[in-house]
Amino acid sequence: EVVLTQSPGTLSLSPGERASFSCRASQSVGTYLSWYQQKFGQTPRLLIYGASNRATGIPARFSGSGSGTDFTLTISSLEPEDFAVYYCQNRGMFGPGTKVDIK
Amino acid sequence: EVQLVESGGGLVQPGGSLRLSCAASGFTFRNYWMSWVRQAPGKGLQWLGNLKDDGSKAYYLNSVRGRFTISRDNVKNSLFLQLSSLTVEDTAVYYCAREIIGGQTDLDYWGQGTLVTVSS
Repeated sequence: EVVLTQSPGTLSLSPGERASFSCRASQSVGTYLSWYQQKFGQTPRLLIYGASNRATGIPARFSGSGSGTDFTLTISSLEPEDFAVYYCQNRGMFGPGTKVDIK
Repeated sequence: EVQLVESGGGLVQPGGSLRLSCAASGFTFRNYWMSWVRQAPGKGLQWLGNLKDDGSKAYYLNSVRGRFTISRDNVKNSLFLQLSSLTVEDTAVYYCAREIIGGQTDLDYWGQGTLVTVSS
């Protein structure tokens, strides 16, 4: 069973800054890695699937990269609505999440 | 517009059972694998299992296999989750979600969730 580790646990940034956070798998998952955003009190939203494919309607400032065991989600310039918790997922297994809050 | 609407949550005693439903609309339900995911209060997401588009095969998280059962009715565009032998640790919001690519659990549409509270 694959275990996903996300780092950091919390990231404090300002609007306009670049955000980058990591998801590491305990064994190779190829490019079967997706990213979700969940704002407080809301339903999760799919951002990226297949490691680097943006889901429908996701702004271009969100990008995903990586393969094997190491993956990165990057937000090129944080908008106020991007402050949320981000989860990675592989074949059902979710990581613990990275919280992005306002500095 | 794709819509998923869960129902059936509520308060149940430890050891009890509950059946959750998810009504789908706005897409061809019979063409999609579907998943159930839950989120305990203040905690992260936990995938519970999924069901093939034709209902012929289900896959489950190890810790719920044997207690939870996923089924569907492709005529009524509905997905179900039967919960049994519930414990307080099963208290959570339960979401149904659509898989963008069958079997890969990339979930592109989610319902708003239904709350299950297990308490005496």
